[in-house]
Amino acid sequence: TQLLEQSPQFLSIQEGENLTVYCNSSSVFSSLQWYRQEPGEGPVLLVTVVTGGEVKKLKRLTFQFGDARKDSSLHITAAQPGDTGLYLCLTSGTYKYIFGTGTRLKVLA
Amino acid sequence: DAGITQSPRHKVTETGTPVTLRCHQTENHRYMYWYRQDPGHGLRLIHYSYGVKDTDKGEVSDGYSVSRSKTEDFLLTLESATSSQTSVYFCAISEGIGNYGYTFGSGTRLTVV
Repeated sequence: TQLLEQSPQFLSIQEGENLTVYCNSSSVFSSLQWYRQEPGEGPVLLVTVVTGGEVKKLKRLTFQFGDARKDSSLHITAAQPGDTGLYLCLTSGTYKYIFGTGTRLKVLA
Repeated sequence: DAGITQSPRHKVTETGTPVTLRCHQTENHRYMYWYRQDPGHGLRLIHYSYGVKDTDKGEVSDGYSVSRSKTEDFLLTLESATSSQTSVYFCAISEGIGNYGYTFGSGTRLTVV
């Protein structure tokens, strides 16, 4: 069974700081998605990465897919309080997607 | 227009009673999923559907059943609710498998007392 481990589990930073969160697997990903979940809501898709070494940018968020497709990272530049939430990675294959354990981020004003 | 709605948003029920949660979509997506989210366990798949009347079990399906009689509706039933089923339940839809993303509903917070 493929497992997705995310680190760190919790992160509390000041507004304006940069941060990176990680998603790692013991197996090769077919593809990987990142979601953000705000309190009281369902997760919202941020990005899908497919190709090893791929880098995607979404405003202040930079997503990277490892060359070997076994890891991924999400870097946030100049974090804002609106970035607060639970960040989840997800790998997909057949019908049964697998979620990572999540990184809970709090950005303090 | 949310595209996917869950009802009810909150429910308190007694141990041993049946409970049905509803997921309704307006996107005409083929795939629908039920997840539960618990502290320390993350999101876990309960059941999923890949078409009308086509469903299959996820990793935590014991004590749950589902039905999908129409493309737009996916029902999750707790046959006899237990306290261990206290959780937040999310429905998700997907246009396809593989690289297609999920769209999630806003969740149902269920408390079994």
